[in-house]
Amino acid sequence: EIVLTQSPATLSLSPGERATLSCRASQSISSYLAWYQQKPGQAPRLLIYDASNRATGIPARFSGSGSGTDFTLTISSLEPEDFAVYYCQQRRNWPLTFGGGTKVEIK
Amino acid sequence: EVQLVESGGGLVQPGGSLRLSCAASGFTFSSYAMSWVRQAPGKGLEWVSAISGGGGSTYYADSVKGRFTISRDSSKNTLYLQMNSLRAEDTAVYYCAKDNMGSQPGHYFDYWGQGTLVTVSS
Repeated sequence: EIVLTQSPATLSLSPGERATLSCRASQSISSYLAWYQQKPGQAPRLLIYDASNRATGIPARFSGSGSGTDFTLTISSLEPEDFAVYYCQQRRNWPLTFGGGTKVEIK
Repeated sequence: EVQLVESGGGLVQPGGSLRLSCAASGFTFSSYAMSWVRQAPGKGLEWVSAISGGGGSTYYADSVKGRFTISRDSSKNTLYLQMNSLRAEDTAVYYCAKDNMGSQPGHYFDYWGQGTLVTVSS
């Protein structure tokens, strides 16, 4: 099973600041990684797929990069609605696995 | 507009059974693989099971293999999860999710339902 490790667990930032979230895979997953955003009481929302492709309707301030084992989700300038928990997910191998999440909170 | 609406959750005793349903609309149901993903209270996401668009291929997490069965009925545009021999650790919100690529599972999830809570407790 491919283990995804997200860091940091919590990121405390102010609106307008840049957020950089990390996801590290236990083995190479090529570019087969997605990022999701989840707000309290809501289902997750797909942000980025195949490491760097924005999903439909996702604002340009969200960008993804990386390949192999190290991946990054960047939010260029945090909007109030961006404070949430973010998960990465790999599709390189079964079982599909998710990272433990990074909570982006208001400082 | 794509909509996924889960139902069937509730309180069940350890060792009991429950069947979840997910009614889909707004897309050609048989053309897309579907999955169940769960989230224990206050925890992260865990993929549970997937099924191909035609229903001929199924996949399970080791934690549920042999106890859960995924199926689909394209005439009703509905996805199911039959859960047997339930354990306390199966307590979670269960989401159905649509594959973003096509009929073969194993990709990402572009639409999710609102979730249905399953509580396993005596």
